[in-house]
Amino acid sequence: QVTLRESGPALVKPTQTLTLTCSFSGFSLSTSGMSVSWIRQPPGKALEWLARIDWDDDKYYNTSLRTRLTISKDTSKNQVVLTLTNMDPVDTASYYCARGGIWFDCWGQGNLVTVSS
Amino acid sequence: DIVMTQSPDSLAVSLGERATINCTSSQSLFYRSNNKNFLAWYQQRPGQPPKLLIYWASSRESGVPERFSGSGSGTDFTLTISSLQAEDVAVYYCQQYYSHPTLTFGGGTKVEIK
Repeated sequence: QVTLRESGPALVKPTQTLTLTCSFSGFSLSTSGMSVSWIRQPPGKALEWLARIDWDDDKYYNTSLRTRLTISKDTSKNQVVLTLTNMDPVDTASYYCARGGIWFDCWGQGNLVTVSS
Repeated sequence: DIVMTQSPDSLAVSLGERATINCTSSQSLFYRSNNKNFLAWYQQRPGQPPKLLIYWASSRESGVPERFSGSGSGTDFTLTISSLQAEDVAVYYCQQYYSHPTLTFGGGTKVEIK
């Protein structure tokens, strides 16, 4: 059974750096072809793809957020970490991790992050 | 970036009736080398994460009821729910992966019971 779970703060202040961890089970990121991605969704709005990391440590980012995003993995811990620097109220959203790199067949429940002073 | 546009924004359908959701891409999602359209559909029920329904525009994910079907090619795609059930109340999103690794989603279509 594949599961993913996001963890991180619920509230961050403007200009701070957000760090989110995706802990997963039921698959391995050392398996050839495997990927984990991050997607976010502002309240009541549509989905936005953020970043992806592949089994071979290749990394890809949303071009409009590239300078602020970093994705990394710890294969031994079955975790993927996303950081987003210089947070702004417009970054308020539910942040999801999901298995896959082109479509996403399993998702975590999401971590709602509010950016406010 | 490829822009995905969904219509309508919302629709209300009677139980047992057909629901049709449209998705248009700003450029063709058809890849000649494998004869496939790079499009997926998701269902997001209230308070839940999205759930994959369809990939390659018309391939149903394992466990998805047969009343859900995807069609279309190039720039115009459709998700059809043949007989709406109460549990189908949700927002539906299309997503292109033609320009992967960069992916984009449509704005969503909310389906309600009439």
